[in-house]
Amino acid sequence: QSALTQPASVSGSPGQSITISCTGTSSDVGSYNLVSWYQQHPGKAPKLMIYEVSKRPSGVSNRFSGSKSGNTASLTISGLQAEDEADYYCCSYAGSSTFKVFGGGTKLTVL
Amino acid sequence: EVQLVESGGGLVQPGRSLRLSCAASGFTFDDYAMHWVRQAPGKGLEWVSGISWNSGSIGYADSVKGRFTISRDNAKNSLYLQMNSLRAEDTALYYCAKGKGGGTTYAFDIWGQGTMVTVSS
Repeated sequence: QSALTQPASVSGSPGQSITISCTGTSSDVGSYNLVSWYQQHPGKAPKLMIYEVSKRPSGVSNRFSGSKSGNTASLTISGLQAEDEADYYCCSYAGSSTFKVFGGGTKLTVL
Repeated sequence: EVQLVESGGGLVQPGRSLRLSCAASGFTFDDYAMHWVRQAPGKGLEWVSGISWNSGSIGYADSVKGRFTISRDNAKNSLYLQMNSLRAEDTALYYCAKGKGGGTTYAFDIWGQGTMVTVSS
């Protein structure tokens, strides 16, 4: 099972919007509406930001949104804030043997 | 407070074994799937293994299949990872993560702080 493909880095200025893509295959992202996104600050554990493609857990800002088209999922962060600077990982369900596969991660820099 | 606390990490020689534990509290443990996710130093997240609420569904990453065994004891609110035939590439911070539901399809909504495993001679 290969890792999902994410851009290594993205950047944006405060107040702007950015989108992080996550490309998989018809065996994972394309087959299931089970993509999740995680935010990880340096030295901290990951935090769930989006699940089931576009659902937000309680307490997560509505500036974070998710979508999917075919084999590619996307995370959009609007109204960028300094505290959004972190690494972001997508993850997809990948079937009944190897349950989950992560993307390689994207470092978001807020300029 | 919902909490996951990992333990059992350490320095181990290649080829040896180690058993990780994850103690859960603050939620009904036997209602939820549980997973192990690892992160090598300076690298990304890698899903290692997962187990459904009743241990009826278990899965492993190809990189650990045949060497690692996941298990849970719902009476003790605990998750385990038995790691055998350890390799240098298994060196990582190992996180315990709770699924949002009982099956293994759900996202990981609660994470522990991790326990470090270093495989080196």
